[in-house]
Amino acid sequence: EAGVVQSPRYKIIEKKQPVAFWCNPISGHNTLYWYLQNLGQGPELLIRYENEEAVDDSQLPKDRFSAERLKGVDSTLKIQPAELGDSAVYLCASSFRDPGELFFGEGSRLTVL
Amino acid sequence: GENVEQHPSTLSVQEGDSAVIKCTYSDSASNYFPWYKQELGKRPQLIIDIRSNVGEKKDQRIAVTLNKTAKHFSLHITETQPEDSAVYFCAALRGSSYKLIFGSGTRLLVRP
Repeated sequence: EAGVVQSPRYKIIEKKQPVAFWCNPISGHNTLYWYLQNLGQGPELLIRYENEEAVDDSQLPKDRFSAERLKGVDSTLKIQPAELGDSAVYLCASSFRDPGELFFGEGSRLTVL
Repeated sequence: GENVEQHPSTLSVQEGDSAVIKCTYSDSASNYFPWYKQELGKRPQLIIDIRSNVGEKKDQRIAVTLNKTAKHFSLHITETQPEDSAVYFCAALRGSSYKLIFGSGTRLLVRP
C-alpha cells in the first residue's frame, strides 16, 4: 500500500516568492492534515480536512497561507508571499478515522532566503 | 486550549538500559495519547497509543502508562537498542476537537 506522498521534498526560494506543496493521502483516508514542524519542535497543526471541507483552520495564517482539497483526495498548501520565518518542514498526514493513527508523509522542507 | 509538556529534551542511555520519557497535559478532557518516533530526516511514525479508559498498554519492549488524575503519561522502552535512537514525540487529543497537540520531543541516544 502506498503511503502519504508529498512533493517537492525540498524547496529553496527567496523571500516574497510564492511556493506550493502537494499531498496525496492514503487511499480511503478521508481526513487530511497539514502540519508545520520547526527544527527541534513537534508538529503543529495548520489545517484539518474532512473530505473536501476544512473543519479546523484556526492555526492557518490566512493572510499568506491558503490550502485546498477540491475533490476530497489530494491537497495543496500555498504560501504567498513567503517570509524568512516560514522556513520549516511542512508535513502532510492522513487518517482513516478520528481519533486514530496519523500516517505522515516525508515532508516538504522549505528554505526561505 | 491543550498544552503538552515533554521531558527530558535529550536522553542518553547505554544499550540494554531502560529509557523513560514523560509528558504532562493540561486539558482534562483529552482522551487519546499517541507516541510517535521520528528518525533523522524521516517521517514521524506511531509506535504506541493509549486511550483514557486504559491505565497501561504494552507492546513488546515498549509500554505507555497514563495517570488521568495527575494528567501525565509516560513512554517506557526496555532493553534499549541502537536502532531506538530517534526523536520521540508525545501527543494529546481532545475528542471533541480532534486537535492533536504534540510535545516538543525527546532526542534519545542509545550508546552501543
